[in-house]
Amino acid sequence: DQQVKQNSPSLSVQEGRISILNCDYTNSMFDYFLWYKKYPAEGPTFLISISSIKDKNEDGRFTVFLNKSAKHLSLHIVPSQPGDSAVYFCAASYSGAGSYQLTFGKGTKLSVIP
Amino acid sequence: DVKVTQSSRYLVKRTGEKVFLECVQDMDHENMFWYRQDPGLGLRLIYFSYDVKMKEKGDIPEGYSVSREKKERFSLILESASTNQTSMYLCASSLEGTSGYFTDTQYFGPGTRLTVL
Repeated sequence: DQQVKQNSPSLSVQEGRISILNCDYTNSMFDYFLWYKKYPAEGPTFLISISSIKDKNEDGRFTVFLNKSAKHLSLHIVPSQPGDSAVYFCAASYSGAGSYQLTFGKGTKLSVIP
Repeated sequence: DVKVTQSSRYLVKRTGEKVFLECVQDMDHENMFWYRQDPGLGLRLIYFSYDVKMKEKGDIPEGYSVSREKKERFSLILESASTNQTSMYLCASSLEGTSGYFTDTQYFGPGTRLTVL
């Protein structure tokens, strides 16, 4: 059972426009969410996170929105740049006792077209 | 900056060989993880460790074992490599959070692309 879903395997966006990457989750115990960015032949790098006590977190061009009632989060990149072309993974965790794991989605490949 | 290093970027082994993948982190993190990444399947957790000599199975532990003798080092062992273990292997580490709230951000190494022939 896939607890974190990224339903769009790929997304293409023009440079300068907004990129919106979506993520849905099914486990209502998740209370911390992260986005990672991964270039080919490199490890994922942490991008931005949000805890369930917030509905928005912003860091420069990157904003993550959380809708707990819909169990949905999204990553907005504005403006999109060619260097943003990568695979983006959504991940979730919960702060239960003994919980150390992140559950990852399958990723969305973003292509920003110059 | 957190630094997670993996012993090899690329590795080619033969079926049946014993394979060791090494991971070292320099930030005194308690937690360490091994994942594999395959196209269309995302990151899948193989094993993790939350303390020296402690290990826990992840989602796909079959065919793998791990060793954590020192806090900074976490090894993944393929006892008898098979072709279906051809994959990108990623090591990660994270800090044990305080105040009842985990700092769950994991920091990844560059990955090892393993090919089993």
